[in-house]
Amino acid sequence: QLVESGGALVQPGGSVRLSCEASGFTFSDHWMYWVRQAPGKGLVWVSRVYNDGTITNYADFVKGRFTISRDNSKDTVFLQMNSLRVEDTAVYYCARYWGRGYIPLDHWGRGTLVTVSS
Amino acid sequence: EIVLTQSPGTLSLSPGERGTLSCRASQTISRNYLAWYQQKPGQAPRLLIYAASSRATGIPENFSGSGSGTDFTLTISRLDPEDIAVFYCLYFGTSSFTFGQGTRLEIK
Repeated sequence: QLVESGGALVQPGGSVRLSCEASGFTFSDHWMYWVRQAPGKGLVWVSRVYNDGTITNYADFVKGRFTISRDNSKDTVFLQMNSLRVEDTAVYYCARYWGRGYIPLDHWGRGTLVTVSS
Repeated sequence: EIVLTQSPGTLSLSPGERGTLSCRASQTISRNYLAWYQQKPGQAPRLLIYAASSRATGIPENFSGSGSGTDFTLTISRLDPEDIAVFYCLYFGTSSFTFGQGTRLEIK
């Protein structure tokens, strides 16, 4: 199970930190992803972190503004979002990357809403 | 960067009818890295198909995937009203992690 939290209403230029707590599986075995969905729009990959936290990747539109990290002792992945823009308004989902057998994101949280507005 | 284009944008079917959803890649991709997701209103996406044609755990035989190269298809053999959702294809190769824009499935 994956449970996101931290979504909020923030002003442009502000910051928010999302958390995603995992349970029911060995968290440290899996890459973790953040995917977002703007209201009425499609799914867009945001960021990922390898299982040991040493490698991270970002979509171009969040590079330099968002930081993904994880704490394997707490089975939690984070997304620190700075310099927020109106266009960052979206539901943010965390998802587990299974990886074996060409299975990608096989478990998703319910999402947390970030609204950027003045 | 791989771009996935899904068609149609909206598919209207009657209950029991067969439906075909298309996902076209901007260049040849390995079918091993092509997946399909279903997203019902207000819910998170659910993995339906991976490696282009393998059903995920718990997915009924009503859903099937096929294709290779640049053209991939998700087929719903008989529409159940509970199947209503938006369907996305996903490519997750080493150089790209990209979703198609989605196909909305509705009841006629």
